[in-house]
Amino acid sequence: DGGITQSPKYLFRKEGQNVTLSCEQNLNHDAMYWYRQDPGQGLRLIYYSQIVNDFQKGDIAEGYSVSREKKESFPLTVTSAQKNPTAFYLCASSTWAGARETQYFGPGTRLLVL
Amino acid sequence: SQQGEEDPQALSIQEGENATMNCSYKTSINNLQWYRQNSGRGLVHLILIRSNEREKHSGRLRVTLDTSKKSSSLLITASRAADTASYFCATDRGSGGSNYKLTFGKGTLLTVNP
Repeated sequence: DGGITQSPKYLFRKEGQNVTLSCEQNLNHDAMYWYRQDPGQGLRLIYYSQIVNDFQKGDIAEGYSVSREKKESFPLTVTSAQKNPTAFYLCASSTWAGARETQYFGPGTRLLVL
Repeated sequence: SQQGEEDPQALSIQEGENATMNCSYKTSINNLQWYRQNSGRGLVHLILIRSNEREKHSGRLRVTLDTSKKSSSLLITASRAADTASYFCATDRGSGGSNYKLTFGKGTLLTVNP
């Protein structure tokens, strides 16, 4: 059963805490992406990775970090430097051609601040 | 700033009616994509139309692209209650930007009343 999985579905963060969101894909896609979605808004790109061991900042990378040690995995860490982390986070993947092709999305993780 | 902007922001229709959503963008593109998002879920790809195409069909969906007006429309025919969702257009950034980045609009919330 191919696709993208994200975990957890809900995540709670305390003040000053770093939290990591998981994203795994078994589609054999080279490119992976993290987006943030706020209520009533479109998606904003946080980070993307074209290939293993390489990643690039998106439009709103401040306060976030990523790693791409394996082709199938692209975890996102929301650091304490991100002052407004409450949002819906979506992971996606695509073939090497990137924005010229379809992006496949995971079910999302909703991050809430305690 | 957003590359794609959907219009209207919200649309409410009766089951069986057609629904039309529009998307306008600012800079040249290689392709335009439409995605659907059910509440609290990930995005699902509906259709991709390339800049050299004018119209594309997929089941009850019809997408048009007018590059001279920098606009696209998504028509859903014979709508069903299950079509209730938010619909987003997404564009790549043409020749001036990264081929890996999609820019999403804020979406049109479609409600189909039974």
